[in-house]
Amino acid sequence: GAVVSQHPSRVICKSGTSVKIECRSLDFQATTMFWYRQFPKQSLMLMATSNEGSKATYEQGVEKDKFLINHASLTLSTLTVTSAHPEDSSFYICSARSLYNEQFFGPGTRLTVL
Amino acid sequence: ELKVEQNPLFLSMQEGKNYTIYCNYSTTSDRLYWYRQDPGKSLESLFVLLSNGAVKQEGRLMASLDTKARLSTLHITAAVHDLSATYFCAVDMTNTGNQFYFGTGTSLTVIP
Repeated sequence: GAVVSQHPSRVICKSGTSVKIECRSLDFQATTMFWYRQFPKQSLMLMATSNEGSKATYEQGVEKDKFLINHASLTLSTLTVTSAHPEDSSFYICSARSLYNEQFFGPGTRLTVL
Repeated sequence: ELKVEQNPLFLSMQEGKNYTIYCNYSTTSDRLYWYRQDPGKSLESLFVLLSNGAVKQEGRLMASLDTKARLSTLHITAAVHDLSATYFCAVDMTNTGNQFYFGTGTSLTVIP
């Protein structure tokens, strides 16, 4: 089946630094990629939807200047958490939608901000 | 604003018992998904339901969709310990905005 990878799988950083998370569709082209955040014992919250070559659409309450999304190609989207703070610590999961409207999820990135 | 609610949020059941998890959503959609998540892991796709009346079964799990009632169910038959996990439904808003929203989740614990 289709595979979506995320890198890194785990990252620990100091408060105030920026962290970039990559999401790649390995064997298919993704028309749309989604970024989710999941706090412990909670559901996945959609942060933003990105389409290749255009600006991401952010959900209400998500700061676009803090969570920068770049969808550079049909196989790569990046999420940069700028000036990270401890409250940004979370599990970030991306997903990619194929040309046939199937959606595949990445393995997730656990971010810990000290 | 789309709301996707699951009931119950927490479920503890004995092995061998049956139970149903409910997923209600607040707007029109013909595509609904069920996922399983183990602690610390990402999502495992269980079912894709693409039309009203759709029913799918895999092992001890069976999912159904009633788009008119905006309701999906995940039925567990003769539960076993390996089914312990968190289950999410998700509504696909492809037709109206290309968003994909998750339910509140149901944490299932099967007791031997």
